[in-house]
Amino acid sequence: ETGVTQTPRHLVMGMTNKKSLKCEQHLGHNAMYWYKQSAKKPLELMFVYNFKEQTENNSVPSRFSPECPNSSHLFLHLHTLQPEDSALYLCASSQEARGGTDTQYFGPGTRLTVL
Amino acid sequence: QKEVEQNSGPLSVPEGAIASLNCTYSDRGSQSFFWYRQYSGKSPELIMFIYSNGDKEDGRFTAQLNKASQYVSLLIRDSQPSDSATYLCAVNINYGQNFVFGPGTRLSVLP
Repeated sequence: ETGVTQTPRHLVMGMTNKKSLKCEQHLGHNAMYWYKQSAKKPLELMFVYNFKEQTENNSVPSRFSPECPNSSHLFLHLHTLQPEDSALYLCASSQEARGGTDTQYFGPGTRLTVL
Repeated sequence: QKEVEQNSGPLSVPEGAIASLNCTYSDRGSQSFFWYRQYSGKSPELIMFIYSNGDKEDGRFTAQLNKASQYVSLLIRDSQPSDSATYLCAVNINYGQNFVFGPGTRLSVLP
């Protein structure tokens, strides 16, 4: 256990559905991240929040919408996804998104399948 | 395009041997470098980071950085079957908030 939890662990959705992924960290960190991990592709950083403010958006399609109501919670709202969006979505947190030597702790991930 | 490259493997070593994992990166502005281990079906966990040229040791693990050659490596001494996993190299650029990961090298330590 890293102190970062994600729900649900598995999600199957149709292309017209709307769903949300939830991440919660119990480490007192101030930065939270969403990553996408697809088969045979490197881990891709999607969004970064630092002190509840979004600081990075790596050209992610608008069908993915992040929300960070406080430093402990992070959501990823999904709508009208495509089959190629099927992947493992990982949440991470760190003390503060300084880069440098900031250690990220990953949650267990949500395995998403889009039909 | 900022890229981080690793041999995908699998890299097979006998138990007790030294495993050597390599990573190259394209952006000369890269400042800090991370090695993560990911077991099958699990999330990545940090092994160690390095930001100065040279070697950094932590137990059985040694990270080596050569910024002139844009190369970072991870050595695992006395490899154990429990070290069998995928090892991810990650690069942070200009101490910012953008981390670029390599595709990972799958290591198999044979008993």
